[in-house]
Amino acid sequence: NAGVTQTPKFRILKIGQSMTLQCTQDMNHNYMYWYRQDPGMGLKLIYYSVGAGITDKGEVPNGYNVSRSTTEDFPLRLELAAPSQTSVYFCASSYFLAANNEQFFGPGTRLTVL
Amino acid sequence: DQQVKQNSPSLSVQEGRISILNCDYTNSMFDYFLWYKKYPAEGPTFLISISSIKDKNEDGRFTVFLNKSAKHLSLHIVPSQPGDSAVYFCAASLNQGGKLIFGQGTELSVKP
Repeated sequence: NAGVTQTPKFRILKIGQSMTLQCTQDMNHNYMYWYRQDPGMGLKLIYYSVGAGITDKGEVPNGYNVSRSTTEDFPLRLELAAPSQTSVYFCASSYFLAANNEQFFGPGTRLTVL
Repeated sequence: DQQVKQNSPSLSVQEGRISILNCDYTNSMFDYFLWYKKYPAEGPTFLISISSIKDKNEDGRFTVFLNKSAKHLSLHIVPSQPGDSAVYFCAASLNQGGKLIFGQGTELSVKP
């Protein structure tokens, strides 16, 4: 049981390039989330999904896109990378019946846009 | 508008003493509060939670207190250990299966 896995761990992009951050969970969780964490700040929600085929915007969705074709996978797409997207990205998942909404996090992807 | 705030960016405590981490919130509709612990280069891991209908929850060395009238919660770690050194995030949720709103985090350093 690997939990939530993210690839890659690190990436450097040039301005205007695009990339997809991968996220997979093997806990059969319905809910999945993408967060970004900037230095000295808390985690901010980018997008989330309550099940395959259903996604919705979080607090900071601009510049990103997501899809959810399976329960296990929730990739995050950056189309035109900008320096403001330099951050650490965390994927998380949770069980829809968890009363306290405990979320399980992946190890993160550190992205630098130059 | 920051709905969940941790006003202390850092805290230093001697090993064996009590660590108290604080968190304030503005939305009285939050129904669950959670504490996460984060080591460098790792994702946050769940530590302890409390429902809005309770005022205290305890799990080993960790106790969370909730004061709804003050919209304030705190995490007590007793006794503190060097392995507790990490960044601690307070988070709040609005409904079951709902989104989490995180505070900025407090970096705890426990010195031997």
